[in-house]
Amino acid sequence: QKEVEQNSGPLSVPEGAIASLNCTYSDRGSQSFFWYRQYSGKSPELIMFIYSNGDKEDGRFTAQLNKASQYVSLLIRDSQPSDSATYLCAVRQGAQKLVFGQGTRLTINP
Amino acid sequence: KAGVTQTPRYLIKTRGQQVTLSCSPISGHRSVSWYQQTPGQGLQFLFEYFSETQRNKGNFPGRFSGRQFSNSRSEMNVSTLELGDSALYLCASSFDGLNTEAFFGQGTRLTVV
Repeated sequence: QKEVEQNSGPLSVPEGAIASLNCTYSDRGSQSFFWYRQYSGKSPELIMFIYSNGDKEDGRFTAQLNKASQYVSLLIRDSQPSDSATYLCAVRQGAQKLVFGQGTRLTINP
Repeated sequence: KAGVTQTPRYLIKTRGQQVTLSCSPISGHRSVSWYQQTPGQGLQFLFEYFSETQRNKGNFPGRFSGRQFSNSRSEMNVSTLELGDSALYLCASSFDGLNTEAFFGQGTRLTVV
């Protein structure tokens, strides 16, 4: 079992719809969770950081964390073509170390 | 506020050579961690430094090493380069490397020929 698992996609969503990205992790001791967006040839850009159970909203983005079920999700409302990218889920294990999923490739269709 | 700065952006080296990459974290951040990104393996953790001390290390051979200076700038060194070391090397800056955000630099694209 991989430490952090994501559906590799590609996930195709129409413009204006809600994109839903999911991530599960195996280490119950994980304390904080990240969503990064990475455009082709670029470095990862931090979209959301969450460490408490529940929802965290920032603009069109909502991160949801459920530690009991060991999953974290990212919702993107009113999807735009510029949201087309690979989305990386990362889990901080113990301290200092981020473990990444393989990423989900998202395509927003105009 | 300046972001994370990595230099150089691109490097081409031959097998057997060594290389040093540099990372300047966001002002006030004391934790710097390094990652290797390849198409096949994704993003993998190399090591993390805080206040000039290595606190954590990933599963990479001893050819990969690093250090951190008193101003929190960090360097990563790879000796005896192999073709498989070709990758995007990323550093991440965090206030303390614990329950705080981590921001990546633009990366250094290393090509070994």
